[in-house]
Amino acid sequence: KAGVTQTPRYLIKTRGQQVTLSCSPISGHRSVSWYQQTPGQGLQFLFEYFSETQRNKGNFPGRFSGRQFSNSRSEMNVSTLELGDSALYLCASSLEGVRETQYFGPGTRLLVL
Amino acid sequence: QKEVEQDPGPLSVPEGAIVSLNCTYSNSAFQYFMWYRQYSRKGPELLMYTYSSGNKEDGRFTAQVDKSSKYISLFIRDSQPSDSATYLCAMPAGGTSYGKLTFGQGTILTVHP
Repeated sequence: KAGVTQTPRYLIKTRGQQVTLSCSPISGHRSVSWYQQTPGQGLQFLFEYFSETQRNKGNFPGRFSGRQFSNSRSEMNVSTLELGDSALYLCASSLEGVRETQYFGPGTRLLVL
Repeated sequence: QKEVEQDPGPLSVPEGAIVSLNCTYSNSAFQYFMWYRQYSRKGPELLMYTYSSGNKEDGRFTAQVDKSSKYISLFIRDSQPSDSATYLCAMPAGGTSYGKLTFGQGTILTVHP
């Protein structure tokens, strides 16, 4: 079974631009969560989607948004990029997000210049 | 104060040593506890999860939970160079919502031959 895939793996953007990251969960998994990982703040939860609906949301500004499609694939968007948005963005999937293992993808490394 | 505190290290030990990694948490709603391992440039992978207070063993790894003290530990016996990674403790919000995990800062471990 293929694991969680994320595209692109690396991205360089400039301040003020927007970016869209993509995540394909493990086949059959309906819950997709997104996390931001930085050296200073560690791994922080962004949001979780289940059956195309946002089920949980972390404490990030509205510039961070996401969506999930009917095939469970998910995208996250960051608008008006700031230098502090430079991070590793991780996607994780699980069957339904309740008492189950979350499987993480390799992440997308975003650098904002 | 963060909900989950973890000493970031770094921790350097010789091969064969017993490693002790620890986290403390403040939110009494946390009922399930997980340990993830993250190799450089990879996503986190689940090592162990536990619910009840006490010990859970899996090969060279032992997870220990003390809910009365809000303290969890991961022990690695006979440590190997391949154990060199960042170790993250994680707890699902609301007890069962695995889609939203709160992570510790992560401890960087190096096992040298």
